Amino acid sequence: AQSVTQPDIHITVSEGASLELRCNYSYGATPYLFWYVQSPGQGLQLLLKYFSGDTLVQGIKGFEAEFKRSQSSFNLRKPSVHWSDAAEYFCAVVQLTYSSASKIIFGSGTRLSIRP
Amino acid sequence: EAQVTQNPRYLITVTGKKLTVTCSQNMNHEYMSWYRQDPGLGLRQIYYSMNVEVTDKGDVPEGYKVSRKEKRNFPLILESPSPNQTSLYFCASRLAGDPYEQYFGPGTRLTVT
Repeated sequence: AQSVTQPDIHITVSEGASLELRCNYSYGATPYLFWYVQSPGQGLQLLLKYFSGDTLVQGIKGFEAEFKRSQSSFNLRKPSVHWSDAAEYFCAVVQLTYSSASKIIFGSGTRLSIRP
Repeated sequence: EAQVTQNPRYLITVTGKKLTVTCSQNMNHEYMSWYRQDPGLGLRQIYYSMNVEVTDKGDVPEGYKVSRKEKRNFPLILESPSPNQTSLYFCASRLAGDPYEQYFGPGTRLTVT
């Protein structure tokens, strides 16, 4: 079965510093991967997605993610974080089925705090 | 504006008192689903619906019911809520043929005392 692992429960970085959030997936074929962000008290917003092609994916809010098949990873990066980036981040993979019942499998999330 | 709406956004209730959380989408999506979000567990699927009158269990269906009488609505029913159902709930929808573009509602924070 497909699964997603986010090994870091909570990360704190200083404002202006670079950020990398880790995500590892378990999937037999080419995965369809996502990163979502959930700001405090808000719903889920899609940051970026990878389906195929270029392994470096650009998203909104200055985020990017790199798909590395050899490492089964899809890490999220940002060169310089802003205080408004404090949120919870979820990595996810689509679990395809033979029918249209495909669903999204989420990781457990990484909470990002920003140090002033 | 394309959106998924949920009501209520916040709810505090007592054990055993039946409640319904409504979900509505205006995008004519066939597929709708409910998730619960708990710390350290991410989002887990409760139930999903492929279309009107077609529903099925997700990963954590115990204690919940759903119905899909209209395409736009997918209410989540807790017949006898218990404290372990205290959680943040999200409704989501998408086109049946597009598993990659899912739209989420704003969430409903439920507390059962």
